[in-house]
Amino acid sequence: EAGVAQSPRYKIIEKRQSVAFWCNPISGHATLYWYQQILGQGPKLLIQFQNNGVVDDSQLPKDRFSAERLKGVDSTLKIQPAKLEDSAVYLCASRLRSSSGAEGNTIYFGEGSWLTVV
Amino acid sequence: AQKVTQAQTEISVVEKEDVTLDCVYETRDTTYYLFWYKQPPSGELVFLIRRNSFDEQNEISGRYSWNFQKSTSSFNFTITASQVVDSAVYFCALSEATSNTGKLIFGQGTTLQVKP
Repeated sequence: EAGVAQSPRYKIIEKRQSVAFWCNPISGHATLYWYQQILGQGPKLLIQFQNNGVVDDSQLPKDRFSAERLKGVDSTLKIQPAKLEDSAVYLCASRLRSSSGAEGNTIYFGEGSWLTVV
Repeated sequence: AQKVTQAQTEISVVEKEDVTLDCVYETRDTTYYLFWYKQPPSGELVFLIRRNSFDEQNEISGRYSWNFQKSTSSFNFTITASQVVDSAVYFCALSEATSNTGKLIFGQGTTLQVKP
């Protein structure tokens, strides 16, 4: 079974430029998450989708970050304009569904997209 | 409030030594899940184990074992006979089942270095 796919793996941009990250979750997984991991810290949730609807975006800096999951499968996370403090790894993750018991509640992560803002 | 604390920032051991990574959590929920993930230099978070709050039975998987104690709100992870390939950052995480979102609250991570 294919895992969570993300691209690009690495991106270097100048501050005030824009960047977009793409994620394809595990097939059949209804829930999709975007986490931000700053160097030396644990990941923090930015936004969660259930199918194509937003469940939680309370920690998303909406003045510069946006995300969508139009068809309930792939998702895109955009940052515009980028700030130096946005340098981090952006991790996409997916979960089957909560009604599937313990296994359905396990969240699987992709390799991440490493962003450096200079 | 939910919180996960991994007090050990970095641990360095020599190959074949046993090592225990500590994790302490806080939650007001009675139903929750605890997880351990491994993050090698490639960056991917690799799922290791999930434990729900009603199952305090310890688990062993090869060289890995986990000790879950609700009385002390701890979920510690032991690697027996460590190997160089175990070098990575290890994260403990908490998910509250009642919220039904599956949102993970992570600890700060423990960097394990296993020297040959």
